[in-house]
Amino acid sequence: DTGVSQDPRHKITKRGQNVTFRCDPISEHNRLYWYRQTLGQGPEFLTYFQNEAQLEKSRLLSDRFSAERPKGSFSTLEIQRTEQGDSAMYLCASSSFRDRGGEKLFFGSGTQLSVL
Amino acid sequence: AQSVTQLDSQVPVFEEAPVELRCNYSSSVSVYLFWYVQYPNQGLQLLLKYLSGSTLVKGINGFEAEFNKSQTSFHLRKPSVHISDTAEYFCAVTPGTGNQFYFGTGTSLTVIP
Repeated sequence: DTGVSQDPRHKITKRGQNVTFRCDPISEHNRLYWYRQTLGQGPEFLTYFQNEAQLEKSRLLSDRFSAERPKGSFSTLEIQRTEQGDSAMYLCASSSFRDRGGEKLFFGSGTQLSVL
Repeated sequence: AQSVTQLDSQVPVFEEAPVELRCNYSSSVSVYLFWYVQYPNQGLQLLLKYLSGSTLVKGINGFEAEFNKSQTSFHLRKPSVHISDTAEYFCAVTPGTGNQFYFGTGTSLTVIP
């Protein structure tokens, strides 16, 4: 168990540029979540995958955001035409279908995005 | 829909004193309840969770929480805090397996030497 890893740890970009983040979940976990966290707030749900299927997407997520998990393993989150309001910590979490009765999320350390 | 309210944004407490971090939730269905901790520059870690059964749940690092259905609360307690407990604490709920988690805004616990 190497934990959930996210890359990069930090990303600074100019407004209008596209950015892509990667998440590698714990290997046997079939569920993967993306959350966004801003200063002074709790994590806010963005989207959720079970294996390669994207099962849920927050209504707050604009069409500039897209996530994929092509082979049911790692996932990418892309933000197109970034805006200053996209500046936040982007968190990835994974969990296992074997955790019956209530999931335990394992979080990565996050990618801190700063849009200038 | 579900929501979580953490009533205290910041809680300072002296070392070895007891502490309670408050969490109230709102839901039209049964939920599972969690407390997560985020140490500086680290990812969130699970402290404890309530699924069913005994309303008093014990977690790591000496923390415990009590589920109160009538008051829709899930307060976190520790009888004697240490400097190393300084961190951000998040209460969370989920309707169940495969659903999203709803997090509170967090409580910053600062332990004063």
